Amino acid sequence: GESVGLHLPTLSVQEGDNSIINCAYSNSASDYFIWYKQESGKGPQFIIDIRSNMDKRQGQRVTVLLNKTVKHLSLQIAATQPGDSAVYFCASAVQGGKLIFGQGTELSVKP
Amino acid sequence: GAVVSQHPSRVICKSGTSVKIECRSLDFQATTMFWYRQFPKQSLMLMATSNEGSKATYEQGVEKDKFLINHASLTLSTLTVTSAHPEDSSFYICSAIYGGGTDTQYFGPGTRLTVL
Repeated sequence: GESVGLHLPTLSVQEGDNSIINCAYSNSASDYFIWYKQESGKGPQFIIDIRSNMDKRQGQRVTVLLNKTVKHLSLQIAATQPGDSAVYFCASAVQGGKLIFGQGTELSVKP
Repeated sequence: GAVVSQHPSRVICKSGTSVKIECRSLDFQATTMFWYRQFPKQSLMLMATSNEGSKATYEQGVEKDKFLINHASLTLSTLTVTSAHPEDSSFYICSAIYGGGTDTQYFGPGTRLTVL
C-alpha cells in the first residue's frame, strides 16, 4: 500500500553543522512532495516542496532532493541552528490532494 | 498569507460529552480542508477530507457518526467529536489547501483534546 517512511527516527547534530533527513516513498504515482517541520504542541509548518519533474529545489538554508529512480527524498538544512530542533515530516501527495505522512524524524541540535 | 486557525487550542471534557473544533482559513478561501489526528510521538493520520457544500469523505476505519464534519463555508470547517471517550484524547489538526495554482496544504496550530 501507500506509505512514506523515514530512515532514521532521531538525528542529533552540532550547531552549525549541516543536517540531512531522509525519506522513502512507495507510491510511484506521487508527483508532489512536501517537507514539514513540527515543533512540540504545534501544527506542521510548511518548509519546502518539490514536484516530480524536478530533482532539486532550494530555499533559505534548506534544499530538497528527489530521486525518483529509488523513490527517495531528502531534506538538507545548512548551518543548523537550535531553532531548527523539531520533528520533520515528509509527505507525499496522492489523489484528491491527500497527504501521506512519513513517521517523522526528531532533529536535536546541540549547542 | 495562507494562515489557518483552530479553536479551541485545548479542551478538556467529560466522557460522553461532545466537543466541537473549528478550523478557519483566515486570508484565503479553501474549498477543501482536511482533518488529522496525531498521537504522542506519532505521525499525522488523515481522518477525513472536508469539501465545502458536500459531505465529507472519511478514511477507512474512521467512524463518520462519531466524527461529524461540516464545511459550511469556504473559510470554515468544523469537527465534532460526539460522545467522546478517553481513547479519543489526541491532538487534532486541520489543514486547508491554498489555491492559486498550487495544492500546498497549510496546517492549523492543532487542538489538544483530553477526555476524562
